Amino acid sequence: GQQLNQSPQSMFIQEGEDVSMNCTSSSIFNTWLWYKQDPGEGPVLLIALYKAGELTSNGRLTAQFGITRKDSFLNISASIPSDVGIYFCAGLPRGYNTDKLIFGTGTRLQVFP
Amino acid sequence: GAVVSQHPSWVICKSGTSVKIECRSLDFQATTMFWYRQFPKQSLMLMATSNEGSKATYEQGVEKDKFLINHASLTLSTLTVTSAHPEDSSFYICSAHRIFGNGTRLTVT
Repeated sequence: GQQLNQSPQSMFIQEGEDVSMNCTSSSIFNTWLWYKQDPGEGPVLLIALYKAGELTSNGRLTAQFGITRKDSFLNISASIPSDVGIYFCAGLPRGYNTDKLIFGTGTRLQVFP
Repeated sequence: GAVVSQHPSWVICKSGTSVKIECRSLDFQATTMFWYRQFPKQSLMLMATSNEGSKATYEQGVEKDKFLINHASLTLSTLTVTSAHPEDSSFYICSAHRIFGNGTRLTVT
């Protein structure tokens, strides 16, 4: 099935550092979502974006809907150990009117104290 | 907030048997639910769209006779893995309204 390209694939950072990851598509998306998945659990929604250029924050997390509508970015500031997990972007391509999400390949984040 | 509950959390079954996984939306109704499969260190891959009161829609390459989906009410969808084989071992996750269940770890021996 179709997937979004996410980078980096993995990150190993020290506690307190900021983190940036992005998600790109070859086609236009109308909605971008960012999820975090802990081992053995389902993804949890972090941030939802609905308009090109939109910048939305959730605590230390900030996500942006790219102007071209083909990409999205997630930043985590001042990382802490509990930020460890896999971050997935997900989106709805233009023309979709359901919640049939397409997922990114994931970014695995490891935070060292 | 809205919650999607999945049961069981994990199941081990013998090759050739069938396993049923339940997905319930708590405190909200969902005419559409989605079933995903996730292999270790991989992303979520959509298997099928579960439609209340009608047939499920399967993604290309997913065997509809092997993965039976029933969406009998506005709060419950079930996925039955029939005649399971070791290659069906995976993490199965459902979602409704962009909210995901906690997943079911299936191990076929």
